[in-house]
Amino acid sequence: TQLLEQSPQFLSIQEGENLTVYCNSSSVFSSLQWYRQEPGEGPVLLVTVVTGGEVKKLKRLTFQFGDARKDSSLHITAAQPGDTGLYLCAGDGGSYIPTFGRGTSLIVHP
Amino acid sequence: GAGVSQTPSNKVTEKGKYVELRCDPISGHTALYWYRQSLGQGPEFLIYFQGTGAADDSGLPNDRFFAVRPEGSVSTLKIQRTERGDSAVYLCASSLTPSANTGELFFGEGSRLTVL
Repeated sequence: TQLLEQSPQFLSIQEGENLTVYCNSSSVFSSLQWYRQEPGEGPVLLVTVVTGGEVKKLKRLTFQFGDARKDSSLHITAAQPGDTGLYLCAGDGGSYIPTFGRGTSLIVHP
Repeated sequence: GAGVSQTPSNKVTEKGKYVELRCDPISGHTALYWYRQSLGQGPEFLIYFQGTGAADDSGLPNDRFFAVRPEGSVSTLKIQRTERGDSAVYLCASSLTPSANTGELFFGEGSRLTVL
């Protein structure tokens, strides 16, 4: 079983602050995805990374895939209340079945 | 609608009862996944269909759980003799292609099951 550990589990910050959340594993993944989930909704894909060392930017969000393809980070610049949600990473080792981490619950206060 | 549709959105049942949860995926998506999410946890894989067949059912917790997708579109998750520990949100997702290496999973809003 491929386990993904996400940290921190909870994060409560003020609007305008920067933050980084992490997704770590001892397993190598062929691809890794980040999803955001709001209460009462299903997860929604933010980004997919496939190449070791890859960096992708989505407006104020920056995603990085580790060189060894075992870990990833998500950095949010100048967080806004609309960024509030559960951030999930999901890794695929080639089995076609994404394995999800426990998530980081982010609250951004106005 | 164009998204993944799950019914019912909420289901309250008594211990020992049988329940069915339905998932209507995005038209044309061949891959369909069922996950279960408990409070404070990430989605936990249950079963994956490619077309009509269950390609991987290794996540089903025991033989009380069963899922079908007879025509390669709508899927039904069936739970027999429900237990309180089955209470969770059951998420369905579909994908145009198998998810390896870039395929996006499109999730429904989930079916919240409460077993009293």
